[in-house]
Amino acid sequence: SQQGEEDPQALSIQEGENATMNCSYKTSINNLQWYRQNSGRGLVHLILIRSNEREKHSGRLRVTLDTSKKSSSLLITASRAADTASYFCATDGNQFYFGTGTSLTVIP
Amino acid sequence: EAGVAQSPRYKIIEKRQSVAFWCNPISGHATLYWYQQILGQGPKLLIQFQNNGVVDDSQLPKDRFSAERLKGVDSTLKIQPAKLEDSAVYLCASGTSGIQETQYFGPGTRLLVL
Repeated sequence: SQQGEEDPQALSIQEGENATMNCSYKTSINNLQWYRQNSGRGLVHLILIRSNEREKHSGRLRVTLDTSKKSSSLLITASRAADTASYFCATDGNQFYFGTGTSLTVIP
Repeated sequence: EAGVAQSPRYKIIEKRQSVAFWCNPISGHATLYWYQQILGQGPKLLIQFQNNGVVDDSQLPKDRFSAERLKGVDSTLKIQPAKLEDSAVYLCASGTSGIQETQYFGPGTRLLVL
């Protein structure tokens, strides 16, 4: 089975609202990454957080990591229609695993 | 800078036929990855190369899948013979070092096995 599991599987919000998605994983990791995938641009790296970091920001993105709970969250603030995509967490421990993904729809 | 190139973009074959995919990574990237992404799922790592050596191929179905990266640059992934369940998008990615790195993905090859 895959290492990461995202929650929720699907999320629909209005433009301007914040979107939060969560990732849980099973084994110890070196780092956790978030990627976005849409039909126009393929799979694109968003942000990387190392196992000794607890929070990281990049533009409208905020990522948290709780290694004791083996979980991470991705917050997208002030969402835009262009944020509509699938979001995957990816863990790098002994092997590199992608999660199952959250499908985000931002309604204009 | 040019991104990761993959070809073909689409391929339709009959089951039991053979198929090959090609990937040219970003210039200078030592690490190359092949992933299989089945519809509705996240990408699954098939094989990771560091230059022309294999780092991880534990999830590669070696009875039918093979991959090579001669000269440590471009790579080919082959399926022989294909099964219906191989229908998926095959993604190639590259990176600079393989350690806590960002991966840069190509557009993928969409394979349909009939």
